[in-house]
Amino acid sequence: DAKTTQPPSMDCAEGRAANLPCNHSTISGNEYVYWYRQIHSQGPQYIIHGLKNNETNEMASLIITEDRKSSTLILPHATLRDTAVYYCIALIYNQGGKLIFGQGTELSVKP
Amino acid sequence: DAGVIQSPRHEVTEMGQEVTLRCKPISGHDYLFWYRQTMMRGLELLIYFNNNVPIDDSGMPEDRFSAKMPNASFSTLKIQPSEPRDSAVYFCASSLGTGRYEQYFGPGTRLTVT
Repeated sequence: DAKTTQPPSMDCAEGRAANLPCNHSTISGNEYVYWYRQIHSQGPQYIIHGLKNNETNEMASLIITEDRKSSTLILPHATLRDTAVYYCIALIYNQGGKLIFGQGTELSVKP
Repeated sequence: DAGVIQSPRHEVTEMGQEVTLRCKPISGHDYLFWYRQTMMRGLELLIYFNNNVPIDDSGMPEDRFSAKMPNASFSTLKIQPSEPRDSAVYFCASSLGTGRYEQYFGPGTRLTVT
């Protein structure tokens, strides 16, 4: 599975868009990009995933660059409850269920 | 559905004692995962099951750790004997379908071994 690199921390003002970057320059053609988050003292929560097209759901949008070497998770209107550690994971679909969590980005949403 | 259920939520035990953590996955899910989280090592996958069969236990730290899944609705993670370095939050997660990575995590069990 491709290694991912994320900034260790970011701040965002409440109500503004939070843009969380992830670098996965060694990603292969059959590796998906998954995003999870972990709010303090809770279990991780699945957010969104994609292969090469941009994706959107009720929680967030995922923008993957055309060369697939990086992606950005967008929380369109961040709230205080979005304060969490966000994990970007690259993995091959249909090869078991093994998620490997890195260090992630600690997002602080401030009033 | 109630989500993934774990018990107990907190466990404090003395070194050398046996500890059993329990997990009830979401009904219908065919994958079950056990993770451990510490400040030093982050979130680590210990073992996972597919249709009650252990598939990958390469993350189990040593023989003191064992996991079972006797049926589709119940799994245990046992530590015997426990040591202070086993202190961590243990999460159980479940998912549906082959290759599905949308895992649903339980609230975790915070284990403290004194």
